[in-house]
Amino acid sequence: GAVVSQHPSWVICKSGTSVKIECRSLDFQATTMFWYRQFPKQSLMLMATSNEGSKATYEQGVEKDKFLINHASLTLSTLTVTSAHPEDSSFYICSAHAPTTNEQFFGPGTRLTVL
Amino acid sequence: GQQLNQSPQSMFIQEGEDVSMNCTSSSIFNTWLWYKQDPGEGPVLLIALYKAGELTSNGRLTAQFGITRKDSFLNISASIPSDVGIYFCAGRMDSSYKLIFGSGTRLLVRP
Repeated sequence: GAVVSQHPSWVICKSGTSVKIECRSLDFQATTMFWYRQFPKQSLMLMATSNEGSKATYEQGVEKDKFLINHASLTLSTLTVTSAHPEDSSFYICSAHAPTTNEQFFGPGTRLTVL
Repeated sequence: GQQLNQSPQSMFIQEGEDVSMNCTSSSIFNTWLWYKQDPGEGPVLLIALYKAGELTSNGRLTAQFGITRKDSFLNISASIPSDVGIYFCAGRMDSSYKLIFGSGTRLLVRP
């Protein structure tokens, strides 16, 4: 089946620093990837749609200058949380759209803790 | 952001019992999906539904795409301890591939 990986699986950083999270589709090419944020005991909330070779599309209320998304290849999208603050602490999950099955496959998530 | 109404919020059942959960929306969806999420993990796709009225099974799981295209349900028969987790419905409206998630149903199974 389609496999999506994320790195790192968890990260702890100081307030004001930037953190980069990688999302890779391991056995398929994904022109479209998605980034979600999930707070404890809540559902997944879509942050942005990442399109290979073009700018990401952000959902309403998501600051594009704070959450930088780069989708430079068909198998890699990165999310950079710039100048992170404690309120950015969350579980960040990516997904990749698999063209052959027309479904999204999710990565294992990255737990971000900002001190 | 927009969310689907999913119920129940949580269930605590005895092993061997059947489970039913559902999602409703005020909007029409073209696709309904059901995912399971274990703690600290990403969601895993269980069942995908593409046509109104479609009834699909995956082992002990059965899901249906409502005729109105505004609802879906998931049944789990003869529950076992490894069914524990959070189940999410998700709907897709158009060809953009974007998913809208339900609020989740937390399932606990008593051995």
